[in-house]
Amino acid sequence: EIVMTQSPATLSVSPGERATLSCRASQSVSSNLAWYQQKPGQAPRLLIYGASTRATGIPARFSGSGSGTEFTLTISSLQSEDFAVYYCQQYNNWPTFGPGTKVDIK
Amino acid sequence: QLQLQESGPGLVKPSETLSLTCTVSGGSISSSSYYWGWIRQPPGKGLEWIGSIYYSGSTYYNPSLKSRVTISVDTSKNQFSLKLSSVTAADTAVYYCARQTSQGTFVDYWGQGTLVTVSS
Repeated sequence: EIVMTQSPATLSVSPGERATLSCRASQSVSSNLAWYQQKPGQAPRLLIYGASTRATGIPARFSGSGSGTEFTLTISSLQSEDFAVYYCQQYNNWPTFGPGTKVDIK
Repeated sequence: QLQLQESGPGLVKPSETLSLTCTVSGGSISSSSYYWGWIRQPPGKGLEWIGSIYYSGSTYYNPSLKSRVTISVDTSKNQFSLKLSSVTAADTAVYYCARQTSQGTFVDYWGQGTLVTVSS
């Protein structure tokens, strides 16, 4: 099983600031990496797939990068609706998720 | 707009079988482009992929749950179902049904989720 780790566990950011979230895989997953956003009481929402392709309807302030074992999700200017938990998920092998990064208001 | 809706008991006794159904509306489960899956999330914890099914009935399951999981599809009702046997408190979670894209094993549409509690 490929183990996904995410850092930091919690990221405190002020509205309008940039947020950078990291995701690491225990072995290479090529570019088979997705990012999701989850708000309390809601299902996750797909943001990014293929490590860097935005899903339909996702604002351009969300961007993904990386390949192999190191990946980054960047939110260029945080809006109030962006405070949430973010999960990465690899799908190179049996799909596994990271533990999440909570982005909260500083 | 595609919608997925989970249904089933919210409380299951230990050692019994958890059964959930996902009803798909706004699209056909028989589309050749997609798999349909189940994912769960214990309260306050992360996400775990349980398994997936194609409209033809082809399935694949999480190796750690494989001995207890059965996923089936009913194309006439546009539904797919999950059965998880011999449940324990560790199976308490929000269970999501989901559409898995044709581009890989990730989800582009999710159901709202349903909490299943395992308790006597």
